[in-house]
Formats: sequence, structure tokens, C-alpha cells
Amino acid sequence: AQKVTQAQTEISVVEKEDVTLDCVYETRDTTYYLFWYKQPPSGELVFLIRRNSFDEQNEISGRYSWNFQKSTSSFNFTITASQVVDSAVYFCALSEAGGAQKLVFGQGTRLTINP
Amino acid sequence: DGGITQSPKYLFRKEGQNVTLSCEQNLNHDAMYWYRQDPGQGLRLIYYSQIVNDFQKGDIAEGYSVSREKKESFPLTVTSAQKNPTAFYLCASSTRSTLGLKYIQYFGAGTRLSVL
Repeated sequence: AQKVTQAQTEISVVEKEDVTLDCVYETRDTTYYLFWYKQPPSGELVFLIRRNSFDEQNEISGRYSWNFQKSTSSFNFTITASQVVDSAVYFCALSEAGGAQKLVFGQGTRLTINP
Repeated sequence: DGGITQSPKYLFRKEGQNVTLSCEQNLNHDAMYWYRQDPGQGLRLIYYSQIVNDFQKGDIAEGYSVSREKKESFPLTVTSAQKNPTAFYLCASSTRSTLGLKYIQYFGAGTRLSVL
């Protein structure tokens, strides 16, 4: 069975600090997809990134970066120079390749950026 | 604007009552999903549909029912058999045909259901 673990329930930092959100996953599939979503106070989940299991390159998008390591089954998310607008709940998710493309979510990490 | 519309935003259910949550998408997506989110927890899959007139149970389907008569619409009914319906319900959709967007689920703004 697939499983996603986000061990950090809540993180609080001061604005401009860097912060890393951890995500560890379990799957028996050789091909799969990993995702990060952001849930602001409004409630809607906003898609941030998709990574397939064959691509271990790290990715950077502005202040966001993602570190995918298959050897440790981790897909961590770093925000550089955090801003108050980054405050939200962040979810890591895992999907099978093919089939119904169902998502398995972690418990989420509530990130609070203090001014 | 293309997107997913969920209504109502807030819903209240009386004891023994069935209520229906609406989910409409104009993204021409094939697949649609319903998730439940409880406070401080991740999302759990209730039902999903990959094509019109077909749907499957997710991990927590008991007490819920769905239909998929049109590609654009995937309503969720919370029946009286669901004894603990208070939660935040999110609908999502995804495409199976656009390579760059495959497997990405896009979400609506959610419906918050409470029991009176």
C-alpha cells in the first residue's frame, strides 16, 4: 500500500528565514508521481509541483525548490527567504502511474511565517 | 475562466437528512474525484470517476453516493448513513489526455458541511 508521511505537523519561522518541509513516502510501484500542494486559509488546494519517479533532478522555481531522493524515498520542499504570504498548510502526495491516478496525501504541515 | 466550481460553500445537515454537494468543471477533464478533509488531517478519497456513467469507491465510501451522468458534473450525496459527516469536502478533476498535465489534480474551493 502507498503511504506518505509528513512528520512535521507545524512549523513557525520568522519572515526571510529559509524553511524545509519534509516528505517521506512508501510505494511498491517502480513508476509513480509525487506532488506538493498548498492550502491557504481559503481552503482550496493549489498545485505546486509534480515529479515522476524517473526524474531525480532537483527543481527550483523562484523561492521554491524541491529535493527528490529515491534512495531515501524523500521529496522535500524548501522555501527560501520566506514571506508572510507563504503561510499555509502544505501537502505532499503520491500517485500511481496509470490506472485511476488516485492521490494518497500526507497529513500536511502547517507553516506559519511571522513578520 | 476554466475551473472547478463547488457549491454551496457552507452546508448544514439535519439528523436523518440526505444532502447533495455540487461539483462542476469546465476544463474538459475526464476524471473527477471527491475527498474528505477532517481538521488537522490529510485528504481521504471518497469516490472517483474516470469516465461518464462509471465511478468507483475510494477509501471511505460508506455513507456516501455519487453519480456521473455528464462529463462536467460529479455530485456527491451525503446520506443519513454517514454518522459523522462534519468535514471539509473537496472535489478535484484531472485530464488523461494532455501529456504535460496528466496526473495533476486540480481542486475546487470546497464545501464545509456541518451537522445541526
